[in-house]
Amino acid sequence: DIQMTQSPSSLSASVGDRVTITCRASQSISDYLNWYQQKPGKPPQLLIYGASSLQSGVPSRFSGSGSGTDFSLTISSLQPDDFATYYCQQSYNSLIFTFGPGTKVDIK
Amino acid sequence: QVQLQESGPGLVKPSETLSLTCTVSGGSVNSDSYYWSWIRQPPGKGLEWIGHIYYSGSTNYNPSLRSRVTMSVDTSKSQFSLNLNSVTAADTAVYYCARLPYCSGGTCRFKGFDYWGQGNLVTVSS
Repeated sequence: DIQMTQSPSSLSASVGDRVTITCRASQSISDYLNWYQQKPGKPPQLLIYGASSLQSGVPSRFSGSGSGTDFSLTISSLQPDDFATYYCQQSYNSLIFTFGPGTKVDIK
Repeated sequence: QVQLQESGPGLVKPSETLSLTCTVSGGSVNSDSYYWSWIRQPPGKGLEWIGHIYYSGSTNYNPSLRSRVTMSVDTSKSQFSLNLNSVTAADTAVYYCARLPYCSGGTCRFKGFDYWGQGNLVTVSS
């Protein structure tokens, strides 16, 4: 199985901050990497697919980069609505899709 | 606008079978463009992919659950279903159904889960 790790596991930031979350795969997954945002009591929402493609309707302050084993999600200017938990997920191995453990972003 | 809605019991006894149905509206499960997935999230924990099914009935399950999982699709009702047998307390979770795009414009590759149901909390307890 492909294992996904994320860092940090949590972070505190202020509105307007630039925030970067990293995700690492245990083996190369090319660009088959997706990012989700989840708020309490809600289902995850797809933000980025294919490592860097912005899902329709998602604000442009979200961006993704990386390939192979190392990826990042960047929020260019953190907004009040962005305080949530973020998950990465690989779709390279279609026999088993795996998610990262999540990164919680809260208010400093 | 595509919508997915899970339905099923919120309480299941240990050793019994958990059964959930996902109804898709605003779109059809009878499409070669998508796979239809189940994902779960234990309270306070992360996300676990359970498996997915294609409109043809082809399935793929998480190896850790494969011996206990069965999925089916009913294209006439635009529904797909999950059965998980021999449940224990470790199966207590919010169960989500989700759409997984696969083919678009002649190109086929898995993207991300783009539409999700609101989730159905299933508690395993006697």
